Amino acid sequence: DAGVTQSPTHLIKTRGQQVTLRCSPKSGHDTVSWYQQALGQGPQFIFQYYEEEERQRGNFPDRFSGHQFPNYSSELNVNALLLGDSALYLCASSFGFDGGVHEQYFGPGTRLTVT
Amino acid sequence: GDSVTQMEGPVTLSEEAFLTINCTYTATGYPSLFWYVQYPGEGLQLLLKATKADDKGSNKGFEATYRKETTSFHLEKGSVQVSDSAVYFCALSRTGAGSYQLTFGKGTKLSVIP
Repeated sequence: DAGVTQSPTHLIKTRGQQVTLRCSPKSGHDTVSWYQQALGQGPQFIFQYYEEEERQRGNFPDRFSGHQFPNYSSELNVNALLLGDSALYLCASSFGFDGGVHEQYFGPGTRLTVT
Repeated sequence: GDSVTQMEGPVTLSEEAFLTINCTYTATGYPSLFWYVQYPGEGLQLLLKATKADDKGSNKGFEATYRKETTSFHLEKGSVQVSDSAVYFCALSRTGAGSYQLTFGKGTKLSVIP
């Protein structure tokens, strides 16, 4: 049973460019969350998708957007890249959206470097 | 807003030493508390969790007790191994109304030497 997978593993972009990161959730999971982890810091919540809609959003600008597909996979898009967007982007999946405590399974992340 | 504070690292211990990593939190209501571990080059793995006051989470020899009166969730292990070398993150989430957003501490890097 495959866990959470993310692609690509590494990415180098230039300031001002746009980037798309991809995530496939663990089999049976229907909720996907994205986190940004700067070097030496803990992950910060970007947003969460369930039933193809953004359900919750952290303190990130509109340059960060996402999408969830009918097969529950998800994309994170970042426009007008800044040097400060350089980070490890983590995708996490879980099952259910009922307010209960649901374990989130994390992927290995995509390392984005903006030059 | 919600926040999590962990002891600064890095922490270096000899094999079989006792481990404590302190974690305190600030949140309204009654959050659920977690410890995640991140091995080099990998994503985060849930180590243990506690969902209400006085609950003790445990896994792989690690333990943490949800202390509401001191808003703490300290991680402990009686005898660490070299394979425990990793970065440990304390986190909280509030539940209810379809929410499951995790708020993390900055992480504590543990190195265990033979």
